Amino acid sequence: EVQLVESGGGLIQPGGSLRLSCAASGFTVSSNYMSWVRQAPGKGLQWVSVIYSGGRTDYADSVKGRFTISRDNSKNTLYLQMNSLRAEDTAVYYCARVATVVRGIITHQYGMDVWGQGTTVTVSS
Amino acid sequence: DIQMTQSPSSLSASVGGRVTITCRASQSISTYLNWYQQKPGKAPKLLIYSASSLQSGVPSRFSGFGSGTDFTLTISSLQPEDSASYYCQQSYSTPYTFGQGTKLEIK
Repeated sequence: EVQLVESGGGLIQPGGSLRLSCAASGFTVSSNYMSWVRQAPGKGLQWVSVIYSGGRTDYADSVKGRFTISRDNSKNTLYLQMNSLRAEDTAVYYCARVATVVRGIITHQYGMDVWGQGTTVTVSS
Repeated sequence: DIQMTQSPSSLSASVGGRVTITCRASQSISTYLNWYQQKPGKAPKLLIYSASSLQSGVPSRFSGFGSGTDFTLTISSLQPEDSASYYCQQSYSTPYTFGQGTKLEIK
Protein backbone atom coordinates (compact mmCIF):
# COMPACT_ATOMS: atom_id res chain seq x y z
CA GLU A 1 0.00 0.00 0.00
CA VAL A 2 1.26 3.46 -0.89
CA GLN A 3 1.47 5.43 2.33
CA LEU A 4 3.18 8.35 4.05
CA VAL A 5 3.43 8.62 7.83
CA GLU A 6 4.70 11.81 9.45
CA SER A 7 6.17 12.15 12.91
CA GLY A 8 8.23 14.57 14.94
CA GLY A 9 5.77 17.35 15.65
CA GLY A 10 5.32 18.88 19.08
CA LEU A 11 5.45 21.97 21.24
CA ILE A 12 8.61 24.01 20.82
CA GLN A 13 9.69 27.41 22.09
CA PRO A 14 10.33 30.28 19.69
CA GLY A 15 13.86 30.08 18.33
CA GLY A 16 13.98 26.33 18.78
CA SER A 17 14.50 23.52 16.29
CA LEU A 18 12.49 20.49 15.29
CA ARG A 19 12.91 17.76 12.70
CA LEU A 20 9.88 16.26 11.03
CA SER A 21 10.03 12.82 9.44
CA CYS A 22 7.87 11.31 6.74
CA ALA A 23 8.25 7.56 6.25
CA ALA A 24 7.12 6.23 2.91
CA SER A 25 5.92 2.77 2.00
CA GLY A 26 4.84 1.32 -1.32
CA PHE A 27 7.04 3.62 -3.38
CA THR A 28 10.57 5.04 -3.41
CA VAL A 29 11.04 8.55 -2.05
CA SER A 30 14.25 9.20 -3.98
CA SER A 31 12.57 8.46 -7.31
CA ASN A 32 9.86 11.02 -6.74
CA TYR A 33 9.39 14.72 -6.18
CA MET A 34 8.36 15.17 -2.54
CA SER A 35 6.86 18.23 -0.87
CA TRP A 36 5.96 19.64 2.51
CA VAL A 37 2.74 21.63 2.88
CA ARG A 38 1.50 23.27 6.06
CA GLN A 39 -1.79 24.56 7.37
CA ALA A 40 -1.99 27.06 10.21
CA PRO A 41 -4.98 26.67 12.56
CA GLY A 42 -8.15 27.68 10.76
CA LYS A 43 -6.23 28.76 7.66
CA GLY A 44 -5.61 27.48 4.15
CA LEU A 45 -2.86 25.36 2.70
CA GLN A 46 0.63 26.77 2.25
CA TRP A 47 3.31 25.08 0.17
CA VAL A 48 6.60 24.94 2.12
CA SER A 49 9.26 23.02 0.24
CA VAL A 50 10.07 20.47 -2.47
CA ILE A 51 12.91 18.06 -3.11
CA TYR A 52 13.22 16.86 -6.66
CA SER A 53 14.26 13.35 -7.60
CA GLY A 54 17.67 14.68 -8.64
CA GLY A 55 18.19 16.19 -5.21
CA ARG A 56 17.59 19.86 -5.96
CA THR A 57 15.49 21.66 -3.36
CA ASP A 58 13.30 24.74 -3.21
CA TYR A 59 11.52 26.66 -0.46
CA ALA A 60 8.84 29.20 0.22
CA ASP A 61 10.35 32.59 1.01
CA SER A 62 8.86 32.46 4.51
CA VAL A 63 11.04 29.47 5.46
CA LYS A 64 14.08 29.92 3.23
CA GLY A 65 17.28 29.86 5.26
CA ARG A 66 15.52 28.34 8.29
CA PHE A 67 14.09 25.05 6.98
CA THR A 68 15.92 22.26 5.17
CA ILE A 69 14.27 19.44 3.26
CA SER A 70 16.21 16.21 2.85
CA ARG A 71 15.76 12.50 2.42
CA ASP A 72 17.42 9.29 3.58
CA ASN A 73 17.28 6.82 0.74
CA SER A 74 18.21 3.86 2.96
CA LYS A 75 15.24 4.59 5.21
CA ASN A 76 12.93 5.72 2.40
CA THR A 77 12.16 8.74 4.53
CA LEU A 78 11.71 12.45 3.90
CA TYR A 79 12.68 15.07 6.47
CA LEU A 80 12.08 18.70 7.25
CA GLN A 81 14.61 20.30 9.56
CA MET A 82 13.11 23.44 11.04
CA ASN A 83 15.36 25.93 12.80
CA SER A 84 14.77 29.38 14.29
CA LEU A 85 11.10 28.57 14.69
CA ARG A 86 8.59 31.37 15.01
CA ALA A 87 5.02 31.54 16.28
CA GLU A 88 3.84 31.87 12.69
CA ASP A 89 5.30 28.44 11.89
CA THR A 90 2.60 26.89 14.07
CA ALA A 91 0.69 24.55 11.78
CA VAL A 92 -0.13 21.03 10.78
CA TYR A 93 2.65 19.87 8.48
CA TYR A 94 1.89 17.42 5.70
CA CYS A 95 4.31 15.59 3.48
CA ALA A 96 3.12 14.69 0.01
CA ARG A 97 4.28 12.90 -3.11
CA VAL A 98 4.16 14.91 -6.31
CA ALA A 99 2.85 12.92 -9.26
CA THR A 100 5.04 13.40 -12.31
CA VAL A 101 5.35 12.22 -15.88
CA VAL A 102 8.49 12.59 -17.96
CA ARG A 103 7.94 13.56 -21.57
CA GLY A 104 11.18 13.94 -23.44
CA ILE A 105 13.46 16.08 -21.31
CA ILE A 106 10.65 17.72 -19.34
CA THR A 107 9.11 16.40 -16.13
CA HIS A 108 5.49 17.47 -15.83
CA GLN A 109 3.95 17.74 -12.38
CA TYR A 110 0.43 16.46 -11.89
CA GLY A 111 -0.45 17.45 -8.37
CA MET A 112 0.24 15.91 -4.96
CA ASP A 113 -1.39 12.50 -5.10
CA VAL A 114 -0.31 10.88 -1.83
CA TRP A 115 -0.45 12.70 1.51
CA GLY A 116 0.50 11.86 5.04
CA GLN A 117 -1.88 12.32 7.94
CA GLY A 118 -0.08 15.43 9.16
CA THR A 119 1.92 16.26 12.26
CA THR A 120 1.24 19.29 14.46
CA VAL A 121 3.93 21.82 15.27
CA THR A 122 3.17 24.42 17.92
CA VAL A 123 5.66 27.21 18.49
CA SER A 124 4.93 28.92 21.77
CA SER A 125 6.61 29.95 24.98
CA ASP B 1 5.35 34.61 -7.14
CA ILE B 2 2.13 33.49 -8.81
CA GLN B 3 -0.95 34.48 -6.83
CA MET B 4 -3.98 32.21 -6.93
CA THR B 5 -7.37 33.78 -6.24
CA GLN B 6 -10.37 31.58 -5.56
CA SER B 7 -13.99 32.58 -5.48
CA PRO B 8 -16.29 32.37 -3.71
CA SER B 9 -14.73 31.87 -0.29
CA SER B 10 -17.80 29.95 0.81
CA LEU B 11 -21.04 28.70 -0.65
CA SER B 12 -24.03 26.60 0.20
CA ALA B 13 -25.93 24.29 -2.12
CA SER B 14 -28.52 21.56 -1.98
CA VAL B 15 -28.13 17.84 -2.46
CA GLY B 16 -28.46 17.09 -6.15
CA GLY B 17 -27.45 20.59 -7.14
CA ARG B 18 -24.43 21.92 -8.96
CA VAL B 19 -21.71 24.39 -7.99
CA THR B 20 -18.79 26.01 -9.72
CA ILE B 21 -15.67 27.32 -8.00
CA THR B 22 -13.37 29.69 -9.83
CA CYS B 23 -9.61 30.03 -9.55
CA ARG B 24 -7.62 32.78 -11.23
CA ALA B 25 -3.84 32.90 -11.56
CA SER B 26 -1.92 36.17 -11.57
CA GLN B 27 -0.08 35.05 -14.70
CA SER B 28 -0.47 32.29 -17.25
CA ILE B 29 0.16 28.82 -15.87
CA SER B 30 -0.90 26.86 -18.95
CA THR B 31 -2.80 23.88 -17.50
CA TYR B 32 -0.57 23.39 -14.43
CA LEU B 33 -3.54 23.66 -12.11
CA ASN B 34 -4.69 21.14 -9.54
CA TRP B 35 -7.75 20.91 -7.31
CA TYR B 36 -7.91 19.38 -3.84
CA GLN B 37 -10.70 18.53 -1.43
CA GLN B 38 -10.09 18.73 2.30
CA LYS B 39 -12.44 17.61 5.04
CA PRO B 40 -11.99 18.81 8.64
CA GLY B 41 -9.10 17.13 10.40
CA LYS B 42 -8.04 15.27 7.28
CA ALA B 43 -5.28 15.60 4.73
CA PRO B 44 -6.13 17.12 1.35
CA LYS B 45 -7.13 14.79 -1.46
CA LEU B 46 -6.23 15.34 -5.09
CA LEU B 47 -9.35 15.62 -7.26
CA ILE B 48 -8.25 17.12 -10.55
CA TYR B 49 -4.79 17.56 -12.05
CA SER B 50 -3.63 19.37 -15.16
CA ALA B 51 -6.76 21.54 -14.98
CA SER B 52 -9.16 18.91 -16.28
CA SER B 53 -7.88 15.37 -15.63
CA LEU B 54 -9.79 13.39 -13.05
CA GLN B 55 -7.63 11.66 -10.45
CA SER B 56 -8.16 7.92 -10.23
CA GLY B 57 -11.00 6.97 -7.92
CA VAL B 58 -12.61 10.43 -7.92
CA PRO B 59 -16.31 10.44 -8.89
CA SER B 60 -17.11 11.74 -12.35
CA ARG B 61 -19.40 14.42 -10.90
CA PHE B 62 -16.20 16.41 -10.34
CA SER B 63 -14.87 18.20 -13.40
CA GLY B 64 -12.29 20.86 -14.14
CA PHE B 65 -11.82 23.29 -16.96
CA GLY B 66 -9.53 26.08 -18.00
CA SER B 67 -6.10 27.11 -19.16
CA GLY B 68 -3.89 30.17 -18.95
CA THR B 69 -5.19 32.18 -16.00
CA ASP B 70 -8.82 31.13 -15.51
CA PHE B 71 -9.98 27.81 -14.17
CA THR B 72 -13.13 26.25 -12.77
CA LEU B 73 -14.04 23.26 -10.65
CA THR B 74 -17.61 22.08 -11.10
CA ILE B 75 -19.34 19.59 -8.86
CA SER B 76 -22.63 18.26 -10.17
CA SER B 77 -25.23 16.04 -8.52
CA LEU B 78 -24.01 17.21 -5.13
CA GLN B 79 -23.84 14.63 -2.38
CA PRO B 80 -23.70 15.19 1.40
CA GLU B 81 -20.12 13.91 1.43
CA ASP B 82 -19.05 16.77 -0.87
CA SER B 83 -19.23 19.11 2.10
CA ALA B 84 -15.59 20.17 2.42
CA SER B 85 -13.08 22.88 1.59
CA TYR B 86 -11.68 23.02 -1.91
CA TYR B 87 -8.31 24.43 -2.94
CA CYS B 88 -6.69 25.15 -6.26
CA GLN B 89 -2.91 24.97 -6.59
CA GLN B 90 -0.55 25.90 -9.39
CA SER B 91 2.35 23.58 -10.19
CA TYR B 92 3.81 25.80 -12.91
CA SER B 93 6.60 27.35 -10.87
CA THR B 94 7.79 27.58 -7.30
CA PRO B 95 6.48 28.57 -4.88
CA TYR B 96 3.65 26.19 -5.78
CA THR B 97 0.94 28.45 -4.40
CA PHE B 98 -2.56 27.50 -3.31
CA GLY B 99 -5.73 29.49 -3.54
CA GLN B 100 -7.23 30.62 -0.25
CA GLY B 101 -9.88 27.92 -0.34
CA THR B 102 -13.63 27.60 -0.81
CA LYS B 103 -15.80 26.12 1.90
CA LEU B 104 -18.77 24.22 0.52
CA GLU B 105 -21.77 23.46 2.69
CA ILE B 106 -24.37 20.97 1.54
CA LYS B 107 -27.86 21.81 2.74
